[in-house]
Amino acid sequence: AQSVTQPDIHITVSEGASLELRCNYSYGATPYLFWYVQSPGQGLQLLLKYFSGDTLVQGIKGFEAEFKRSQSSFNLRKPSVHWSDAAEYFCAVGRITGNQFYFGTGTSLTVIP
Amino acid sequence: DGGITQSPKYLFRKEGQNVTLSCEQNLNHDAMYWYRQDPGQGLRLIYYSQIVNDFQKGDIAEGYSVSREKKESFPLTVTSAQKNPTAFYLCASRFNSGRGRSGANVLTFGAGSRLTVL
Repeated sequence: AQSVTQPDIHITVSEGASLELRCNYSYGATPYLFWYVQSPGQGLQLLLKYFSGDTLVQGIKGFEAEFKRSQSSFNLRKPSVHWSDAAEYFCAVGRITGNQFYFGTGTSLTVIP
Repeated sequence: DGGITQSPKYLFRKEGQNVTLSCEQNLNHDAMYWYRQDPGQGLRLIYYSQIVNDFQKGDIAEGYSVSREKKESFPLTVTSAQKNPTAFYLCASRFNSGRGRSGANVLTFGAGSRLTVL
């Protein structure tokens, strides 16, 4: 069965520090992989996606993620976190046919000054 | 600007009442989805529709109903049979596969509707 695991429920980082949010997936084939961000009471905004090709993908707001097939991981990174990055982050997996998407339970990010 | 509009933003319901959440998109997307979000549980799929007049149950369809009479609209009805309806509901849409890899298979979300049962 397909599944997405975000092992960190909550992370706190200092402004200006680097960030890495973990995502592991279980999937029978090469998946489509996504990271979304959600501010309180809002919908989800796409940060970046991986379909194929270069395993290091760049997204909006200075985020990047690396697909590692051998580790079934798609971790999200940012070199220097800003206070406005405080939000909930969701990793997701999609099927090639695109009928369904599977979301992790999310990681809540707090940024301290 | 194109996007997805969900209404109302906040909705209060008495037990035993049916309520309908609206979802309208002007992105010309083919497929539309309804997700339920509860704290610590991520997003769970309620229903999805790939084309007009067709829809499929997701993982937690019991107590919910949908219709897809127009491409732009995918309303969700939360019925009295839903035992624990208090949640945040998210509507999403996307192009079907084959429309071009850059746009297909990427979900665009609305701002959500929060339903509270009193």
